[in-house]
Amino acid sequence: GDSVTQMEGPVTLSEEAFLTINCTYTATGYPSLFWYVQYPGEGLQLLLKATKADDKGSNKGFEATYRKETTSFHLEKGSVQVSDSAVYFCAPGRGGSEKLVFGKGMKLTVNP
Amino acid sequence: NAGVTQTPKFQVLKTGQSMTLQCAQDMNHEYMSWYRQDPGMGLRLIHYSVGAGITDQGEVPNGYNVSRSTTEDFPLRLLSAAPSQTSVYFCASSRHSEGNYGYTFGSGTRLTVV
Repeated sequence: GDSVTQMEGPVTLSEEAFLTINCTYTATGYPSLFWYVQYPGEGLQLLLKATKADDKGSNKGFEATYRKETTSFHLEKGSVQVSDSAVYFCAPGRGGSEKLVFGKGMKLTVNP
Repeated sequence: NAGVTQTPKFQVLKTGQSMTLQCAQDMNHEYMSWYRQDPGMGLRLIHYSVGAGITDQGEVPNGYNVSRSTTEDFPLRLLSAAPSQTSVYFCASSRHSEGNYGYTFGSGTRLTVV
């Protein structure tokens, strides 16, 4: 079945630092790809997505590009803020009855 | 719109007790699923449903039952609670069984089995 490997952390950064969270996947075909964010005490929220190769998803200053050749969907942000402290999950999604598979999540702490 | 509503938010059970975790969505989503989140394990799929009357097992279904009698509701039943079921449970729904739309999650139920 489909699977995903992502950086697990935890990672601590200073405010305004550059962030990269690596995510690679294995899947049959070409799934849509998602990043979700979980703030403390809350459920997961969809952060961004890309539905086909070379698509770039973006939201709240975060970006990720669907790279079919490297089966990757790395998350980046040029300047993190304290409010970005959260757990980030990478997930390839498939249609039909197939299941959404999550990475283990990466906890990010941003210090002022 | 309320989105995905989970109740209760917190629950403590004794070993062997049974209970039902409720999940309701008001977005007319066909697809609903239950995950559990444990430290170091990420989210693991328990059961899912692609529509009313249709359910299927996920990665860790043992000890849990589900049913989907309506589009809106997808309750998760613990038949005989065990300490290994101590976890945070999330319900999620999607507009279509096609995963391209992404998922909407509830805020979770934190369950402790003593």
